[in-house]
Amino acid sequence: KAGVTQTPRYLIKTRGQQVTLSCSPISGHRSVSWYQQTPGQGLQFLFEYFSETQRNKGNFPGRFSGRQFSNSRSEMNVSTLELGDSALYLCASSFSSGIGEAFFGQGTRLTVV
Amino acid sequence: DQQVKQNSPSLSVQEGRISILNCDYTNSMFDYFLWYKKYPAEGPTFLISISSIKDKNEDGRFTVFLNKSAKHLSLHIVPSQPGDSAVYFCAGSARLSGGYQKVTFGTGTKLQVIP
Repeated sequence: KAGVTQTPRYLIKTRGQQVTLSCSPISGHRSVSWYQQTPGQGLQFLFEYFSETQRNKGNFPGRFSGRQFSNSRSEMNVSTLELGDSALYLCASSFSSGIGEAFFGQGTRLTVV
Repeated sequence: DQQVKQNSPSLSVQEGRISILNCDYTNSMFDYFLWYKKYPAEGPTFLISISSIKDKNEDGRFTVFLNKSAKHLSLHIVPSQPGDSAVYFCAGSARLSGGYQKVTFGTGTKLQVIP
């Protein structure tokens, strides 16, 4: 079956702009989590959506938001971009958010200039 | 507050030898631990997991050991192969109110296996 698809793969934005990233989970998976990866910081949890509801949120400012649609596809939005937002943004899907491995997409590399 | 710590950012091992990747955690509520492997330009992929009620889980060349009293786990790769060169992330999973799990990742250890 198809894996987790993230679009776009690469993105360059200017400070102050806003950006929307997309994630299509594995068919049948209802949980989608978003992570930010930066050098030295590992995978920082942003938020998790399950059946269109945000169930969990990490310690990121309100500029970071997300949503999930009825088909489980999820979007992440970052407003008023800052240079420090440059990172690899990863989406992970799982059947539920219970115990078990998550499947990650290839990520979106965001560069803010 | 870094609940999952991987204190070694990098590790180099000769091909055929054992690779030992370490992970420490502070959250006593973790009841499940996972290891992921990440190659450049790819998303992390699940490698192996262990329940907190066990102290060892083995899958082929990969073995994870858990020492709950020390809040420490380690991943052993024997024998190490050049294809194992990647960044390895340790993660802990805790059950939250509402019945679902939250996964917290460490900062990763970059393993280089030298041919």
